[in-house]
Amino acid sequence: GENVEQHPSTLSVQEGDSAVIKCTYSDSASNYFPWYKQELGKRPQLIIDIRSNVGEKKDQRIAVTLNKTAKHFSLHITETQPEDSAVYFCAANLGGKLIFGQGTELSVKP
Amino acid sequence: EAGVAQSPRYKIIEKRQSVAFWCNPISGHATLYWYQQILGQGPKLLIQFQNNGVVDDSQLPKDRFSAERLKGVDSTLKIQPAKLEDSAVYLCASSYGGAGEQYFGPGTRLTVT
Repeated sequence: GENVEQHPSTLSVQEGDSAVIKCTYSDSASNYFPWYKQELGKRPQLIIDIRSNVGEKKDQRIAVTLNKTAKHFSLHITETQPEDSAVYFCAANLGGKLIFGQGTELSVKP
Repeated sequence: EAGVAQSPRYKIIEKRQSVAFWCNPISGHATLYWYQQILGQGPKLLIQFQNNGVVDDSQLPKDRFSAERLKGVDSTLKIQPAKLEDSAVYLCASSYGGAGEQYFGPGTRLTVT
């Protein structure tokens, strides 16, 4: 079955710096890769997603890149702000089933 | 639009007791998912419904967990009997189809003592 590895598990940056979170997946048939943000005690919320026919997608300060050959995708957050502090999860969709990574706890220090 | 609703939000039970969770998906969403999220981990899919049929329940511990989605709308997830390791947040999610954005409910935090 599909397996998703996510790194790093924790990430601390200064406000205004960039943050990068990386994920790898195992099944080349996976075709949809969402990123979720989960604040403490709250539900996961989709922040950006990318499909396998696209290499990069950007939405304001957030961007996602996908390398299908290497089977990895990354989340890039620029000009980080304290409100970006949360746990971020990547996921890969295989046949309608989302497999999540282990999460990255991002801390943005003012 | 109204989001995914879940109840209860919190539940504390003793081991070997039973518990049930309820989920009401977004109107019109055919696909419904139940996830288990243990503290510090990503959500793990327990069961996926398409309308009222089960699509995937490969990771559902069927000796103690059961789920149903009567009439293809609301769903209930039951644990009987509960074990200490069942302590987790149980998230319900729904999507219009099977390969698009999933919308999560607020979750039910279960503590088994």
